[in-house]
Amino acid sequence: DARVTQTPRHKVTEMGQEVTMRCQPILGHNTVFWYRQTMMQGLELLAYFRNRAPLDDSGMPKDRFSAEMPDATLATLKIQPSEPRDSAVYFCASGLNGLAGYNEQFFGPGTRLTVL
Amino acid sequence: DAKTTQPNSMESNEEEPVHLPCNHSTISGTDYIHWYRQLPSQGPEYVIHGLTSNVNNRMASLAIAEDRKSSTLILHRATLRDAAVYYCILRTPGGGGADGLTFGKGTHLIIQP
Repeated sequence: DARVTQTPRHKVTEMGQEVTMRCQPILGHNTVFWYRQTMMQGLELLAYFRNRAPLDDSGMPKDRFSAEMPDATLATLKIQPSEPRDSAVYFCASGLNGLAGYNEQFFGPGTRLTVL
Repeated sequence: DAKTTQPNSMESNEEEPVHLPCNHSTISGTDYIHWYRQLPSQGPEYVIHGLTSNVNNRMASLAIAEDRKSSTLILHRATLRDAAVYYCILRTPGGGGADGLTFGKGTHLIIQP
């Protein structure tokens, strides 16, 4: 049963520290998304890649967040330096770019980040 | 993506059908209607999608109004495992339709035993 995996599942860190979250998309999927969920803002799209190329990162704070896909099996989301307001659950999702209007996204279990 | 409106919460009894409404009065002719749900402490999962015709799959049915300004997700026999937040999302095709999802607040479905 193919699944999106994310590590770590939980992360507690102190303000100012660097945080790296990792995602392994489903094999064969060519599109990877990063979302963030907070109580106040709900689920928000941060960035996404297609065929490892960044297509949209307009939802991401540019000064401290960066997203990369070193290879087709790994996506990373880095926060440096982290701030308490970054505390959230970060979800990775993958999908296959197919017919227009239909591209089911498969979500990982999320990384729950707490910045003290 | 066009905006959708859903009730904040709904309550139903186990083993009864559940009808979750969604209004999307500004939907365009090419927008697809997608539903996702998020179980407690999990990532969202795809439920169903449609364009104009009603759709059925193993999880649910999607009934789309003739004018497409509203739709209803139908769970035919709700179980406790269906308790989740259900999101109705419009998707505008283009560039392969691989753009990110725009989530609203969704409907929190509570199932009573």
